[in-house]
Amino acid sequence: AQTVTQSQPEMSVQEAETVTLSCTYDTSESNYYLFWYKQPPSRQMILVIRQEAYKQQNATENRFSVNFQKAAKSFSLKISDSQLGDTAMYFCAFPTTIQGAQKLVFGQGTRLTINP
Amino acid sequence: NAGVTQTPKFQVLKTGQSMTLQCAQDMNHEYMSWYRQDPGMGLRLIHYSVGAGITDQGEVPNGYNVSRSTTEDFPLRLLSAAPSQTSVYFCASSYYTSSPVYEQYFGPGTRLTVT
Repeated sequence: AQTVTQSQPEMSVQEAETVTLSCTYDTSESNYYLFWYKQPPSRQMILVIRQEAYKQQNATENRFSVNFQKAAKSFSLKISDSQLGDTAMYFCAFPTTIQGAQKLVFGQGTRLTINP
Repeated sequence: NAGVTQTPKFQVLKTGQSMTLQCAQDMNHEYMSWYRQDPGMGLRLIHYSVGAGITDQGEVPNGYNVSRSTTEDFPLRLLSAAPSQTSVYFCASSYYTSSPVYEQYFGPGTRLTVT
């Protein structure tokens, strides 16, 4: 079964610091995508970054980057120069097909707080 | 483009009442889905659709019905509300590929409380 695990329920850093959120997953598929979603207090699910498994180069989006280790099935999110607006729940997600149903499998989430 | 819209944003129901959560998208996405989000459990798939006239169950379908008469709309019906259905509901859409599913765009969510 495909699973996604986020082992850090909560994290807290000071503004401008760098923080890394961890995610591991389990899959038997060979070609897939991985996503990080951000959910601020407004509840809106916002796509932060995606990684295509067949690409060796780690994805980057401005201050957000990933460290994708395919063999280790690890997909961590690094936020550089953190800002107060980065305070949110962050979910790692993995799209898969289970019993014919296409779905995103979400991790349990990491609550990130950026302190001034 | 408005993206994915959901109405209402908040709703309080009494046990046994029925209601419909509305979802619409203007991106011409084939794939639409409904998730519920409960504390500590991430998001779980309720129902999904890969095109007009085609729907199927996700992992937690009991107590919910869906229909897809147009590409744009995908309403979720609660048949007889129960307190266990208190949750935040998200509608999402994406382009459909056979595998893997591309990234999903989410609506703003509906917070439902059943008393």
